[in-house]
Amino acid sequence: QVQLQESGPGLVKPSETLSLTCTVSGGSMSNYYWSWIRQPPGKGLEWIGYIYNSGSTYYNPSLKSRVTISVDTSKNHFSLKLSSVTAADTAVYYCARVHGSDYYNPFDYWGQGTLVTVSS
Amino acid sequence: DIVMTQSPDSLAVSLGERATINCKSSQSVLFSSNSKNYLSWYQQKSGQPPKLLIYWASTRESGVPDRFSGSGSGTDFTLTISSLQAEDVAVYYCQQYYNTLITFGQGTRLEIK
Repeated sequence: QVQLQESGPGLVKPSETLSLTCTVSGGSMSNYYWSWIRQPPGKGLEWIGYIYNSGSTYYNPSLKSRVTISVDTSKNHFSLKLSSVTAADTAVYYCARVHGSDYYNPFDYWGQGTLVTVSS
Repeated sequence: DIVMTQSPDSLAVSLGERATINCKSSQSVLFSSNSKNYLSWYQQKSGQPPKLLIYWASTRESGVPDRFSGSGSGTDFTLTISSLQAEDVAVYYCQQYYNTLITFGQGTRLEIK
């Protein structure tokens, strides 16, 4: 059973960089796309971006200038960096796996999510 | 962007009754070359991550009870719960993966009447 677990600071100061890691267990990262999705408190879901195990990335254009997603398959994890954060970036951040061998598929495994609050 | 609009925003249904949630996309998510609708449904219970229920608009994910079904094509889709159980209280989201820019509906909150 594939499991995903997000980790990282729960509090980030405005203008700084949010950094999170998703550790994948119970399965290989190979031949899958991996994604970050966020959910502001009490609101809906916003897709942030994908990464393939090769390192190819696709980002939401609304966040593209501030987002970097990277992968380290040797450590079975992938990471999110979001720069110049503001209070609007306060959200629960989820990592998730894409169901099939290309990104035109739904998300079948999700982490439990981690709340990141942007505040001074 | 493909905008996904769900209706209603909230819904209260009696136990054992049918619940129906609608999702409309701003453009078709039907890929003509394979006749697949790139549309999925998720269930999110309080304090939990979303759970995949339905994909390709009507394919039930493994382990999902058969009271959950999806239908529709093109731009109009429906999630139906045939006989509501107490454990089905949740927020339900539709999602399109037709476009590289993934988008979700705003969510429909389902409660017991």
